Amino acid sequence: AAGVIQSPRHLIKEKRETATLKCYPIPRHDTVYWYQQGPGQDPQFLISFYEKMQSDKGSIPDRFSAQQFSDYHSELNMSSLELGDSALYFCASSITGYNEQFFGPGTRLTVL
Amino acid sequence: SQQGEEDPQALSIQEGENATMNCSYKTSINNLQWYRQNSGRGLVHLILIRSNEREKHSGRLRVTLDTSKKSSSLLITASRAADTASYFCATDIGGANSKLTFGKGITLSVRP
Repeated sequence: AAGVIQSPRHLIKEKRETATLKCYPIPRHDTVYWYQQGPGQDPQFLISFYEKMQSDKGSIPDRFSAQQFSDYHSELNMSSLELGDSALYFCASSITGYNEQFFGPGTRLTVL
Repeated sequence: SQQGEEDPQALSIQEGENATMNCSYKTSINNLQWYRQNSGRGLVHLILIRSNEREKHSGRLRVTLDTSKKSSSLLITASRAADTASYFCATDIGGANSKLTFGKGITLSVRP
């Protein structure tokens, strides 16, 4: 069965650089969620999109932005990267009416 | 974590034994889900239990939910070395496309 695809899987950036993370949801899933998991931490919700519109926002820094495109893939844009942004970034997708969220393998971002 | 708190934080058992992990949460919920995460990797969806359900089974997994105590337990029977991972509970409060709030993970080690 098709799963959530995230790219890249690993990313190394310098402080103050920008990064773009991509997420391709499971086919026919209409909702995408982004979560951040710091080292030894539990995942924290960042933002979600339903039918290309932002549906909820969590503790996402102003330096981050995201969008969902017409093909339902989503991108998380991160600017002015800080050391504390080093984390695993997960994308999850779901179908409206079904509460299970299925997660991608994550992008490990390291900021040096 | 703002919501779920797992208990215990770490558990070490012998292969073949049963493992019980508990999770508590603070607010009213719509659903509670359990996820497994192998070291630094993606979150694998294990099981979802709705707020009007008390118990659910899936293979070697048994989940219970006590909404009066705001707690859930995940039982893995006849554990295997491959069950070694971190386990998270995650809750949502309902509504369409509801975000997940994760508890702190429980690290399960199954000794061969």
